[in-house]
Amino acid sequence: EAQVTQNPRYLITVTGKKLTVTCSQNMNHEYMSWYRQDPGLGLRQIYYSMNVEVTDKGDVPEGYKVSRKEKRNFPLILESPSPNQTSLYFCASSPLGTRDGYTFGSGTRLTVV
Amino acid sequence: AQTVTQSQPEMSVQEAETVTLSCTYDTSESDYYLFWYKQPPSRQMILVIRQEAYKQQNATENRFSVNFQKAAKSFSLKISDSQLGDAAMYFCAYRNTDKLIFGTGTRLQVFP
Repeated sequence: EAQVTQNPRYLITVTGKKLTVTCSQNMNHEYMSWYRQDPGLGLRQIYYSMNVEVTDKGDVPEGYKVSRKEKRNFPLILESPSPNQTSLYFCASSPLGTRDGYTFGSGTRLTVV
Repeated sequence: AQTVTQSQPEMSVQEAETVTLSCTYDTSESDYYLFWYKQPPSRQMILVIRQEAYKQQNATENRFSVNFQKAAKSFSLKISDSQLGDAAMYFCAYRNTDKLIFGTGTRLQVFP
């Protein structure tokens, strides 16, 4: 089944403790992206990648890092999480060169206390 | 920069009735796609319908249809014969080559 897999689904952590949210897709998509969803703000892009070793900032990149060492994986790293990073996070992918919709992962609910 | 605006934070509809969710966008591009996504309580993002800007014909998917007014930059979603399972958050989105740009969402309640 074609899908984007995110883990974990829920995560509670403390301020300053580094964490990684994993994302993997099995569709051979070049394009991958991370979004955060907050009430009243919709989904905002954090980072995106157009191919292996190619990443770029989205609209809200502060406090986040990403890497794209393999085509299928695009982890989101919070080196020193803060409470304002409490949010619902989505990973998504699509073929490059298309204006079609994304395939989304099932989301990660992160709480930073 | 492109923007997407959903001016209705919440809407409600009676089961079996019709409801229209509004969306406007701003862009200087001529070739783009527009989408409506549904997010039920399971929080999964589900693609409901898409519209290619160069197509004049409005897209339809079963009970879901859009009213695409390119000149007015308007892209509303009509849900006919509403069902309890339609209750969800609905997001309008615009796609350019770099990213999918979302509106702030409309929460739809469906009453029996």
